[in-house]
Parts: sequence; structure tokens; C-alpha cells
Amino acid sequence: DGGITQSPKYLFRKEGQNVTLSCEQNLNHDAMYWYRQDPGQGLRLIYYSQIVNDFQKGDIAEGYSVSREKKESFPLTVTSAQKNPTAFYLCASSIGQLRDEQFFGPGTRLTVL
Amino acid sequence: AQSVAQPEDQVNVAEGNPLTVKCTYSVSGNPYLFWYVQYPNRGLQFLLKYITGDNLVKGSYGFEAEFNKSQTSFHLKKPSALVSDSALYFCAVRDTGSNDMRFGAGTRLTVKP
Repeated sequence: DGGITQSPKYLFRKEGQNVTLSCEQNLNHDAMYWYRQDPGQGLRLIYYSQIVNDFQKGDIAEGYSVSREKKESFPLTVTSAQKNPTAFYLCASSIGQLRDEQFFGPGTRLTVL
Repeated sequence: AQSVAQPEDQVNVAEGNPLTVKCTYSVSGNPYLFWYVQYPNRGLQFLLKYITGDNLVKGSYGFEAEFNKSQTSFHLKKPSALVSDSALYFCAVRDTGSNDMRFGAGTRLTVKP
């Protein structure tokens, strides 16, 4: 899992609550990403950030928000507007060039009760 | 827009036999191609990538992949499978000039003793 940490590992949320997933990297990478993984669907991009104080929506950004105030940190907030948030969430980072591979954190499993 | 397909949900091989996990892609430009492996409840680990040059790419843990432009394929191979290779494998593609990476749905590899 390299130098990327995600917390918590497991998270339980009641319907109507916002929750924030933490992602920190000490790899000095410029780019960071959030993916959602559901069984049989691979990874779907939620948000990505190529540089501090800038981020772009991915394919499934609705109901999610992010911030990138520091190079090392890219927290994801799952809002109450996300209708089906139960999933495995993966954070990744890369040096920043298009040819570079991504390094993934261990993931956070979010369950809505 | 780029896309990637992994036509097999499941691949079963006997230990010691060669294995192949298939991947085909679609891009408008030139592809950057990647293979990742995921163990249960973990993040993805990078195996290998094709950027340019030699069509046969060697990666971690004895895996290799062959880029075939005419067939738009990037199949993952290993000459002799180990039980410990059992995991979920993801192919990913990024088109030159595109910021985001597209992942396949994944192929579950099971190596039986």
C-alpha cells in the first residue's frame, strides 16, 4: 500500500449523515484520486486533483465533495445526497504525469445502516 | 474516450500451469496500459505498464504482458502459476492527453494446488 494511508478502515453511517474519509500520502505526489469500488464494476472515478487547490469531477461525483488544501491530503466527504453510498472507497496518488502508475491506499469500507 | 474490457470474470488454472488474463482496450490516441492486482479487502498494487517501445513488458512477481496494437489487447501472462497468485486483477488504460484512467471490471484468478 506504499505511503498512502486511509482512515478509518471501516465506517458505518446512518442515513442522512455526512461522513469524511481521510487520505494522506507521504510520497510527494502531485496527483491524487478517489475511486469507488462495487462488486463486478471495477473502479469508478469520483474526483481527482492534479495540484493543490484544484480538483475535477470524475464520472460519479454527484453526492460527494473533496478538498485539496495540502499536497499530502485529499479528504472525501460523502454527503447525504449520495443515494447509495455503501461501497469500498480507494484513494490513490501518482507523480502526476500521464504515463505514471497510481499508488493505492488500503481502502475504507463504508456501510450505511 | 477510452475504455477497457476484461472478457472473463473468472479464470481458473492449476498450480504450475501458465496463466493468461485477457484485456482489450479502446482509445482514440496512443494508450498507456496498466495491470494491477488486488488481494481481499486491500488496495490495488501495481504490476506493470506499457508506455512505448518493446511490446513485451515484464513486471512484478514474474508477470508479463504483451501489447498488441492490431488486436488492441494487453493480456497478462505468467509461465507458471502459484496458489499465492490467486487474486483480483484489473487492467487499466489511459489515452494520451487524458487525465483519467479507466479500469476494467476485474478478473478473479484462482490457482488451485
